[in-house]
This record gives sequence, C-alpha cells and structure tokens, in this order.
Amino acid sequence: QKEVEQDPGPLSVPEGAIVSLNCTYSNSAFQYFMWYRQYSRKGPELLMYTYSSGNKEDGRFTAQVDKSSKYISLFIRDSQPSDSATYLCAMRDYNTDKLIFGTGTRLQVFP
Amino acid sequence: DSGVTQTPKHLITATGQRVTLRCSPRSGDLSVYWYQQSLDQGLQFLIQYYNGEERAKGNILERFSAQQFPDLHSELNLSSLELGDSALYFCASSAGSETQYFGPGTRLLVL
Repeated sequence: QKEVEQDPGPLSVPEGAIVSLNCTYSNSAFQYFMWYRQYSRKGPELLMYTYSSGNKEDGRFTAQVDKSSKYISLFIRDSQPSDSATYLCAMRDYNTDKLIFGTGTRLQVFP
Repeated sequence: DSGVTQTPKHLITATGQRVTLRCSPRSGDLSVYWYQQSLDQGLQFLIQYYNGEERAKGNILERFSAQQFPDLHSELNLSSLELGDSALYFCASSAGSETQYFGPGTRLLVL
C-alpha cells in the first residue's frame, strides 16, 4: 500500500463548477500538507501549504486537512478552463524535508 | 516562474551512457532536492542537499549521484543509463524546511 493515495482521474467538469480533489494517507506522523498544480510538461507549482488539521483559504482555493481521518482535500470554486492541470498532493512529517507525493489527479474544466 | 532553473530542458542519450543535470536554486535557498517523475511511479524523492552537505536520501540508485557546490548550484549525475531511467527529473529548492519550489525539469530519454 502506498503512503499517499490519490485518485488519478481524469475528472472532467464544466466551467464554474466546484471541484473537490482528495488524498488519503497512512502515516500518522505527517504534519505538513501541500497541494501542487502541474501543467503538462511543466514543473509542479505550489498552490496551498497547511500545517496540521484545519482549513486554509486562498482566493478560489480551499485546503482542508482532517488528521483524524488521514484525509486531505482541495476545493476549487468557480473552476476555469485554465485550472485544467494535474493536481498533486504532497506531505511530510516534522523529522524530514522529504515530500511524499500522491500520483496526481488530472482535472479538465471544459467551457 | 519559481526562480529555480534547470538545464538542459531535454536530453536524449543511449543506454550505458552518463549524463549530468544541472540545477540553480532560488536566490538565498540553501536546500536543493532532486525528484524523478515517471508515468508509473509518479514523483519520487531522490536526494536532498543543504548548504553543500547531503541531508537526506530517498530511493536513489547507486548509479546516480549528486552534489551541491559552494555557489549552491547542484548537479545530478546519472550513469550506466538504462531504458527505465527515462523520466522527468525535477530540482526543487527551499530556504529551510518550508515549502519547496520546483524548477521546469529536465526530460531525459534513454534510447
């Protein structure tokens, strides 16, 4: 079993929809949680960074962490075609800087 | 633009050969990380350097090695290349243990 599980999709939604992306993990020591966006043939771009449990909002993006369920989510409101990309969750514990990534969910937002 | 630069963008070589990938971190960042991204394995951590010293190792093959120079740029050396080494290689940097910013990657194709 992988440490971090993420549905690969693809997820196809109409413009303006609310998108929910999720990851589950098995290592209870993970404390830091990130979401990266990766366009085709580009490097991952950091979207959200959260520590421990709770919510964090940044514009159209909201990240949620539920450590009791070992489950993290990224919500995208008012999705746009420019949001079409692969979304990667990543996490680490406080002992190491090494990031463990999910396999990524491919999102397509159609006009 | 993350501020992390990588060269070359593309590399085509033959099995058994050796290549060197180069990374320049963001200004002021002391940590450099190398990741490999393949279709079947996703993003995998290879190795981390902090201010010239190796800090952490992931699933890096013995045929692969890295170093960080006094000016903080880093090189990843891949030798005795095999077909399975074809992948995207990303460098990331961070100021400390905080968020990692990724470069555009080097696409390696081994024929």
